[in-house]
Amino acid sequence: TQLLEQSPQFLSIQEGENLTVYCNSSSVFSSLQWYRQEPGEGPVLLVTVVTGGEVKKLKRLTFQFGDARKDSSLHITAAQPGDTGLYLCAGDLTDSWGKLQFGAGTQVVVTP
Amino acid sequence: EAQVTQNPRYLITVTGKKLTVTCSQNMNHEYMSWYRQDPGLGLRQIYYSMNVEVTDKGDVPEGYKVSRKEKRNFPLILESPSPNQTSLYFCASSLSSGGDTEAFFGQGTRLTVV
Repeated sequence: TQLLEQSPQFLSIQEGENLTVYCNSSSVFSSLQWYRQEPGEGPVLLVTVVTGGEVKKLKRLTFQFGDARKDSSLHITAAQPGDTGLYLCAGDLTDSWGKLQFGAGTQVVVTP
Repeated sequence: EAQVTQNPRYLITVTGKKLTVTCSQNMNHEYMSWYRQDPGLGLRQIYYSMNVEVTDKGDVPEGYKVSRKEKRNFPLILESPSPNQTSLYFCASSLSSGGDTEAFFGQGTRLTVV
């Protein structure tokens, strides 16, 4: 059983559409990160959120950390083909120092 | 250029033949870890190291060994590989173990055990 559940598992949209990816858990996290992974590459960090209710924006990407620090979402506005990739959330449990827990990922495909 | 380098990128081996996957980072990071990535399961931590000569088990350590004799290197050793260890492996390093610290990943090693 995954500690972090991501949904949906797969998302295929047209260029210009918006999308939201979710990351949920029953556990509380000290912090939560979002990574993007492209084929043949390792994950690359997009953002870290540490405060419950925090919202961070990175150009067309908006990240939110739930008030209870158990969930997070990633919203992409006007998606572009360059946004295609596997989006992974990763959390640091409050009582598990040194271990990042990863979700299974959401594969996003943006077609022109 | 700051990077984590893994070798080899691809490896096909037979059951029981010992192998080592090397990992090296040039960022003077204290914290290093190994993950395996399997479809539908995401990244699962195998072992991690807080510093030289300090290593500990992650979530799926069975069948793996590691060592940290130098700060920059963190090799992953499979003493007797089995087909269930066929996977995509990633080495990562970060300044510290805190979950709010950026983890830098290598490009991955795709291992097939037949």
